[in-house]
Amino acid sequence: DAKTTQPPSMDCAEGRAANLPCNHSTISGNEYVYWYRQIHSQGPQYIIHGLKNNETNEMASLIITEDRKSSTLILPHATLRDTAVYYCIVRPDGSSNTGKLIFGQGTTLQVKP
Amino acid sequence: DVKVTQSSRYLVKRTGEKVFLECVQDMDHENMFWYRQDPGLGLRLIYFSYDVKMKEKGDIPEGYSVSREKKERFSLILESASTNQTSMYLCASSRTGLGNIQYFGAGTRLSVL
Repeated sequence: DAKTTQPPSMDCAEGRAANLPCNHSTISGNEYVYWYRQIHSQGPQYIIHGLKNNETNEMASLIITEDRKSSTLILPHATLRDTAVYYCIVRPDGSSNTGKLIFGQGTTLQVKP
Repeated sequence: DVKVTQSSRYLVKRTGEKVFLECVQDMDHENMFWYRQDPGLGLRLIYFSYDVKMKEKGDIPEGYSVSREKKERFSLILESASTNQTSMYLCASSRTGLGNIQYFGAGTRLSVL
C-alpha cells in the first residue's frame, strides 16, 4: 500500500473550516484515499473516501488533486468535538478486498474556542 | 448503525495468564480485525479473519492467536500474557466489496502486571 505523509498537528478555530492535507505521491491507479479519525479514548471512525473525484458527505469533503498525489480533508465548520487524530490511508478497493488498513501517525487536530 | 462490541473496556491481568478478548459485530460482516495501539507506534494489525474459521496473520501476530467459530464473533487470545502486551486493543469489522469501510469497537485497555 502507498505511504502517506501528514503534518503531526494542526490547530483550528471553532466554527472555521479545518483543512487537513495528506501527501501520497506513490499512490497507484487502483488505490483509494480513505480518511478516518480517532477521538480520544474511542476507536477510529470512518469519515470519507474517494478515488479521483471530489467527494462530500455529511461529515466532510475530500479534495483529491488531479495527479492524485495529494488530498485535503475539509471539515467545513469545525467544532470542539472534532478534536481528534485524523488518519489518511491509501489502499486498493474492489470486490475481493478484505479491507486491511495500514495506519500511519496521523494529524492531531486541536479545535480551539 | 453498525455496532462492534468489545467485551471489556479495561482489563488487568497477571504475567503468564491466558487472556481472552472478545469482539462481537451485529452487521453480518465477513471480515474482522484485531489491532493494538501503542503511543508512538500507532495502530498495528495483529490478525484478521475474512470468514468463519479463517484467519490470517497481520503485522505483529507473535504471542497472539485468534478464534472465529461464528461469523459475528472474533476472539483474540494471549496464550501467556507478558508485560509487553500491555496495550489498547481494538477490534473492527467490514463487509467485503466496494467501499469496505471498517467499523471499530471502543477498545479494551489491557494492563499486564
